[in-house]
Amino acid sequence: AQKITQTQPGMFVQEKEAVTLDCTYDTSDPSYGLFWYKQPSSGEMIFLIYQGSYDQQNATEGRYSLNFQKARKSANLVISASQLGDSAMYFCAMREGSAGANNLFFGTGTRLTVIP
Amino acid sequence: DTGVSQDPRHKITKRGQNVTFRCDPISEHNRLYWYRQTLGQGPEFLTYFQNEAQLEKSRLLSDRFSAERPKGSFSTLEIQRTEQGDSAMYLCASSLVPVNEQFFGPGTRLTVL
Repeated sequence: AQKITQTQPGMFVQEKEAVTLDCTYDTSDPSYGLFWYKQPSSGEMIFLIYQGSYDQQNATEGRYSLNFQKARKSANLVISASQLGDSAMYFCAMREGSAGANNLFFGTGTRLTVIP
Repeated sequence: DTGVSQDPRHKITKRGQNVTFRCDPISEHNRLYWYRQTLGQGPEFLTYFQNEAQLEKSRLLSDRFSAERPKGSFSTLEIQRTEQGDSAMYLCASSLVPVNEQFFGPGTRLTVL
């Protein structure tokens, strides 16, 4: 089974509107971390936000928030007040185990296009 | 710039040739990771180092691939006898354990003709 599933290959959003990018995950490890990265056309992966499995509150970083629903195993990214510069690929990723554990498992990504 | 750097950014080679990529992590980061990203996919883990020790290798890392981090600073990834299926973006990331985030470099795009 896929560890990370992103079911939206592409999304469009009007500038200044909010958008939700979906991510579901699969793990039996009680300790894990969830990440979102942005990959513009230049190719570099830019870290956006992190949520730990034991965190009680949803993570927020500026215009980014993570809607963490543990029972549903979902970790959706919400971008508020979209900007043209938000157009990029967005990847959800998971780390299994405690902080400092090994590699990240990535989904297939969602291409977000912000329309002026 | 104190981020992760990778060299070269682009590499075009003929099938059967050897190629070597370099990654310079963020200074004092003790973990260094290599990932491979093919078109339309997310990055896939290849291997990682804790200081100079290579602690894990993915099954994706065939015996034609070798990675080193000799002094616990920069790392090299070598691919011997390249094949067309090796064409991909090779990403390097570093982190400071136990901090969660991995910081990625700009990647090396390999094209095997």
